[in-house]
Amino acid sequence: DTEVTQTPKHLVMGMTNKKSLKCEQHMGHRAMYWYKQKAKKPPELMFVYSYEKLSINESVPSRFSPECPNSSLLNLHLHALQPEDSALYLCASSPGQGGGTEAFFGQGTRLTVV
Amino acid sequence: AQSVTQLDSHVSVSEGTPVLLRCNYSSSYSPSLFWYVQHPNKGLQLLLKYTSAATLVKGINGFEAEFKKSETSFHLTKPSAHMSDAAEYFCVVSDRVRAGGFKTIFGAGTRLFVKA
Repeated sequence: DTEVTQTPKHLVMGMTNKKSLKCEQHMGHRAMYWYKQKAKKPPELMFVYSYEKLSINESVPSRFSPECPNSSLLNLHLHALQPEDSALYLCASSPGQGGGTEAFFGQGTRLTVV
Repeated sequence: AQSVTQLDSHVSVSEGTPVLLRCNYSSSYSPSLFWYVQHPNKGLQLLLKYTSAATLVKGINGFEAEFKKSETSFHLTKPSAHMSDAAEYFCVVSDRVRAGGFKTIFGAGTRLFVKA
């Protein structure tokens, strides 16, 4: 299994809602990532988990809250989002956090905040 | 400091003709370099990677790239474009940072159009 699975594929939420994005991989990878991608732009790194511990937080607003329950799962909890948070949210994993290791990406969750 | 520059925001080719997507980088150490492809509303798929082994790297779907240290380039090529190659392509560099660890930087992307 070389897939990173993200659910849901699409999500529409109001600014007062609380929702969660989910990501799962069964490749035994120890590093997992959340990226945000706006239209016609490259992905922007949000968070990195290494061995289930948060290792990088790229100054992301607190309305985004990551969680890594175990080595296969990564969640992104959303609360009080703004319309400008609408984007494609990509999860990725890699064997480690070293520079030579490629990341495997999920298909993304298309988030629309209304 | 690390950086990645994709020299063309858009490239348009005819089906069956060669593809060239250009990427230049700057790095303080010995970088790893990657090319990813992204089809509309999809995730990113790795095409190929360079990690200090052979400088000519072959990837999936007939793509290849050559690492040229003297030119700080890692251009992506394919001899013959197919309609299914139409997508966004990202050049990515991963390198050590002074504080330890690695930093991954994405280029701005090149949109490839393939005309029938």
